[in-house]
Amino acid sequence: ETGVTQSPTHLIKTRGQQVTLRCSSQSGHNTVSWYQQALGQGPQFIFQYYREEENGRGNFPPRFSGLQFPNYSSELNVNALELDDSALYLCASSPRGPGTGADNEQFFGPGTRLTVL
Amino acid sequence: GENVEQHPSTLSVQEGDSAVIKCTYSDSASNYFPWYKQELGKGPQLIIDIRSNVGEKKDQRIAVTLNKTAKHFSLHITETQPEDSAVYFCAASGYSTLTFGKGTMLLVSP
Repeated sequence: ETGVTQSPTHLIKTRGQQVTLRCSSQSGHNTVSWYQQALGQGPQFIFQYYREEENGRGNFPPRFSGLQFPNYSSELNVNALELDDSALYLCASSPRGPGTGADNEQFFGPGTRLTVL
Repeated sequence: GENVEQHPSTLSVQEGDSAVIKCTYSDSASNYFPWYKQELGKGPQLIIDIRSNVGEKKDQRIAVTLNKTAKHFSLHITETQPEDSAVYFCAASGYSTLTFGKGTMLLVSP
């Protein structure tokens, strides 16, 4: 069974640029969530995708957007990068969708380290 | 929204000792409480979880207790080993999203 994978591992961008991060969910998992983890902090929820639609969003501005594809993989896009966007971006997948009572059981990938200069 | 407080921020123990990490949450609707272990350069790894219909759960050297009335839950690690050294996060969830504490850096000295 393949776990959650993310690409790239590391990324360096300059302020104002745009970035796309990618995630492949664990085999059989249909729900994907994205989190931002600043240095020394716990992960913060960005949004969740189920059946290719956004299902819940945290306190992040609209320049953070995402997609989910039919194979359940997902992308996180961030426009107009700011210095404070520097963080570890984590993708987590769940084996069951919203409303099942077990959709909050989430398994994380290794993350993408984004540095904004 | 949900708020999770975690203590202590750092914990140093000798190999073989027990370690306890405590968390409190604010939203009485939360019903799922996982614990994650994060090693340097890696993503969080789910190590144990508990749902609100259970007061205690154990898995070998790791146990979690939940007090819904007081809105707090704890992670207990017995017979600690150097490989237990990592950052541990508690989280609370009432729906699909997880709200995390700020983490506890556990250092186990040989």
